[in-house]
Amino acid sequence: DVKVTQSSRYLVKRTGEKVFLECVQDMDHENMFWYRQDPGLGLRLIYFSYDVKMKEKGDIPEGYSVSREKKERFSLILESASTNQTSMYLCASSVPHGAGFNSNQPQHFGDGTRLSIL
Amino acid sequence: GEDVEQSLFLSVREGDSSVINCTYTDSSSTYLYWYKQEPGAGLQLLTYIFSNMDMKQDQRLTVLLNKKDKHLSLRIADTQTGDSAIYFCAESYQAGTALIFGKGTTLSVSS
Repeated sequence: DVKVTQSSRYLVKRTGEKVFLECVQDMDHENMFWYRQDPGLGLRLIYFSYDVKMKEKGDIPEGYSVSREKKERFSLILESASTNQTSMYLCASSVPHGAGFNSNQPQHFGDGTRLSIL
Repeated sequence: GEDVEQSLFLSVREGDSSVINCTYTDSSSTYLYWYKQEPGAGLQLLTYIFSNMDMKQDQRLTVLLNKKDKHLSLRIADTQTGDSAIYFCAESYQAGTALIFGKGTTLSVSS
């Protein structure tokens, strides 16, 4: 079974801190994604990566950056945390397009990190 | 731009059928998905359908796709209390690429 592991389930940080959210997958997937989930807004894409050292902005990248130094690890960085970044953060991974549609598992999600910025 | 719309809440009684509806705007969407999120957990893929299909059935789940109206539905037969969760509809152009999600439908099942 594919496993996407997010390093923390719950995290509390202070305004202005630099925050790192870590995500690791064990299926050698090329694609990795970071979403945030807020009540009434659903999931919104922050950043994604289709390969090591590659990153693309999603719909709401402001205030965030990412790092993909190794294929299995995709880190989300809050450069200077603010209270409006309090949210649930979800990481996902998938096989790349063209690799064949792996039925029933197009994107695997981690359990999420609930981040509170005080 | 692309948009996926869902109703926010649905309440049913145990044993009844649940139907969760979704509309999408992008006619080039190729893959359409249903995900389930239980409290405090991540998203679990329930089922998916290719845009060249009209229907897909998987045990208690039936997905119907009306491509002309850009309407997708998920029917859960014999709904159980364990089905209480948030259900997300999502679309993408290609498998393995970023998904566009609806805001989620909270299904509440009462006994």
